[in-house]
Amino acid sequence: EAGVTQFPSHSVIEKGQTVTLRCDPISGHDNLYWYRRVMGKEIKFLLHFVKESKQDESGMPNNRFLAERTGGTYSTLKVQPAELEDSGVYFCASSQASGRLSEQFFGPGTRLTVL
Amino acid sequence: DAKTTQPTSMDCAEGRAANLPCNHSTISGNEYVYWYRQIHSQGPQYIIHGLKNNETNEMASLIITEDRKSSTLILPHATLRDTAVYYCIVRVGETGNQFYFGTGTSLTVIP
Repeated sequence: EAGVTQFPSHSVIEKGQTVTLRCDPISGHDNLYWYRRVMGKEIKFLLHFVKESKQDESGMPNNRFLAERTGGTYSTLKVQPAELEDSGVYFCASSQASGRLSEQFFGPGTRLTVL
Repeated sequence: DAKTTQPTSMDCAEGRAANLPCNHSTISGNEYVYWYRQIHSQGPQYIIHGLKNNETNEMASLIITEDRKSSTLILPHATLRDTAVYYCIVRVGETGNQFYFGTGTSLTVIP
């Protein structure tokens, strides 16, 4: 069974440009999460999808970030325009169920560098 | 107000047991404690979880105190490949689906 995949693995862009990160969850997992670790800080939650609906987007830092999950399969996270402080590693995770007993499976992450 | 507190770093001799503590004194009564690890630049990897009873799987054992305010992850025979950052995780947020990672413990297994 394929795990969570993320594309690209690395992205280097200039400040002000746009970048789109993609996440493909494990097949059959309705729940999809985005997390990120910016330089020197902890891994922080960004948002949670249940199928195509945003269940919790309380961790999204500002309106430069837009997450979508059309059709309830893969998800994209767009940063527009990118700023220097957006540099970090963006992780995607998926789970079959939600709630207090649901293991989240993480992808390898996308390393974003904004110059 | 940290949801979990872990030592920043620990060393362990290869072949010995690694005991990684975590304080989660504000955990609610029906919340599980999860342990994940992150090896170098990979994504976090699930290890084990528990509610109140001690748990064991092929990777590790989890000891949870009776008051559930702390737990200890035990790697019974640490190998060099166990060198990683270990996270004790509880759920937070209104919907309870956010993983709170905290700072984690950087474990170095020494030959």
